[in-house]
Amino acid sequence: QSALTQPASVSGSPGQSITIPCIGTSSDIGDYTYVSWYQQYPGKAPKLIIYDVSDRPSGISNRFSGSKSGNTASLTISGLQAEDEADYYCSSYTSSTTLVFGGGTKLTVL
Amino acid sequence: QLQLQESGPGLVKPSETLSLTCSVSGGSISSRSDYWGWIRQPPGKGLEWIGSIYYSGTTYYNPSLKSRVTMAVDTSKNQFSLRLISLTAADTAVYYCVRHPPSGGFRLDRWGQGTLVTVSS
Repeated sequence: QSALTQPASVSGSPGQSITIPCIGTSSDIGDYTYVSWYQQYPGKAPKLIIYDVSDRPSGISNRFSGSKSGNTASLTISGLQAEDEADYYCSSYTSSTTLVFGGGTKLTVL
Repeated sequence: QLQLQESGPGLVKPSETLSLTCSVSGGSISSRSDYWGWIRQPPGKGLEWIGSIYYSGTTYYNPSLKSRVTMAVDTSKNQFSLRLISLTAADTAVYYCVRHPPSGGFRLDRWGQGTLVTVSS
């Protein structure tokens, strides 16, 4: 199975909005609504911030939102804050009953 | 609150076998509402799903690792385990144990803190 494709890095200024794309195939993102996003700080375990494309777990800020179009999922962070600086990973369920991750995107808040 | 804790050796020699255990607290490993899994992350790199197991013993493995991986559940100890054979330096990583629901596409909503495993002679 091939990894999902994410940009290596994105950046934005405080208060701005940024979007991180996650490109898959018709065997994963394109065929299922089971896309998740994770936030990871250095030296820490990842944390689930979006599941089922656009749902947020309890306690996750509504500044985080997710969407999907065709084989591409996206994570949008609005009202960017310094604390949002972290690595972000997308994942998708696949037709082979497996899980595949994106390569990760490092978000820098300028 | 469900908590997961990995344990195992921090250093393993090439060609040897890695055995890791994940202890579950605040919930039962036999819950029908939970799948248990392993994720790894090489230093400075991204996440890789290794596999998942249900209390009944049903397993799903990453095809790229399937020939070297075995997962098991120990209901008496409320633990599950990972066994990875024929190790190489490429298996050096932080290994996380995780939990996800049995339906809904493997959303990983509980993570252990992770344990670093280094493969070196």
